[in-house]
Amino acid sequence: KAGVTQTPRYLIKTRGQQVTLSCSPISGHRSVSWYQQTPGQGLQFLFEYFSETQRNKGNFPGRFSGRQFSNSRSEMNVSTLELGDSALYLCASSPTGGAGETQYFGPGTRLLVL
Amino acid sequence: EDQVTQSPEALRLQEGESSSLNCSYTVSGLRGLFWYRQDPGKGPEFLFTLYSAGEEKEKERLKATLTKKESFLHITAPKPEDSATYLCAVQGGGSNYKLTFGKGTLLTVNP
Repeated sequence: KAGVTQTPRYLIKTRGQQVTLSCSPISGHRSVSWYQQTPGQGLQFLFEYFSETQRNKGNFPGRFSGRQFSNSRSEMNVSTLELGDSALYLCASSPTGGAGETQYFGPGTRLLVL
Repeated sequence: EDQVTQSPEALRLQEGESSSLNCSYTVSGLRGLFWYRQDPGKGPEFLFTLYSAGEEKEKERLKATLTKKESFLHITAPKPEDSATYLCAVQGGGSNYKLTFGKGTLLTVNP
């Protein structure tokens, strides 16, 4: 079974721009979660989607948004980029996102904001 | 709020020198404790899920154990290829099934 895939792998943007990242979950997985990883804060939860609906959201500003399509693929968008948004953005998938389910991570998208 | 603390932050071992990594957690209603391995520039790779105190799981040179307050990842006779950052995460109670991660332990195994 193919793993979680993320595109693009690397991005360089400037402050004020916006960016869209894409995630394709493992086949059959319907829950997709997004995390931000930085050296200072570690991995932090952004949001989770299931059946095209955002079920849970972390403590990030409204500039961070996402969506999920009917084939379970997900995108996240960051508008008005700030220098502090430079990070590794990871998505993870699981069958239903339910209690105790293991989440499997993709390789991440490395975003650098200049 | 769920909290996870991992120690030590960094650990340097000689090949064959066994040791343990610690993950202390506070959570309201543990649904699962997860161990991942992360290599530089890559996403976390799943290792183990533990659900209840007393549970143990093994894979090659790694063994994970769980108590009501902490988990240990025991590494027996490590090899250089075991060098990586090891991450611990918990999934707590409530309606949000998000994972809360510790900052990780950077393990370096010298030949």
